[in-house]
Amino acid sequence: DAGVTQSPTHLIKTRGQQVTLRCSPKSGHDTVSWYQQALGQGPQFIFQYYEEEERQRGNFPDRFSGHQFPNYSSELNVNALLLGDSALYLCASSLVQYVNYGYTFGSGTRLTVV
Amino acid sequence: DAKTTQPNSMESNEEEPVHLPCNHSTISGTDYIHWYRQLPSQGPEYVIHGLTSNVNNRMASLAIAEDRKSSTLILHRATLRDAAVYYCILNAGGTSYGKLTFGQGTILTVHP
Repeated sequence: DAGVTQSPTHLIKTRGQQVTLRCSPKSGHDTVSWYQQALGQGPQFIFQYYEEEERQRGNFPDRFSGHQFPNYSSELNVNALLLGDSALYLCASSLVQYVNYGYTFGSGTRLTVV
Repeated sequence: DAKTTQPNSMESNEEEPVHLPCNHSTISGTDYIHWYRQLPSQGPEYVIHGLTSNVNNRMASLAIAEDRKSSTLILHRATLRDAAVYYCILNAGGTSYGKLTFGQGTILTVHP
């Protein structure tokens, strides 16, 4: 049973560019959340998608946007990249009726902005 | 968001029990207490969760204080593979769709 799959695993971008990160949730899961984890810090919640709509959003600027597809997979888009956007980006999935019980995380995409 | 407080680091010897404490004095009645752990270069891994009663699973036990203002994650016999950052998180119930607010966590070192 495949868990959460994220691609790519590593990415290097230049300041000002745009990036798209992808996530396939665990089989059977319908809710996807995205987190940003800076080096040495705990993950910070970006937003959550369910039924192809953004349901919750953390304290992140509009440069961060997302999408959920009918097959429950999701994309995270970041525009006008800043050096401070360098981080590990984590995707987590769950079933909506079990979101209070636990999430399955992927191994993340390491984004480096130069 | 309700906040949790954990020690920055703890150490244990292999095959000994480990008790990881967490304070959450501002917890609300619908908040679930979650524990995740993160090994180097991996995403967080769900360990256990509870609401009011103590919980056991194959990985660990969760002891919740009667007033719910603190909890303790118990690893019954630590192994080297348990060395990780352990996060205690309050997961708001109701219609919040389970947003997780991570703190700094506790770095657990396990000595052979």
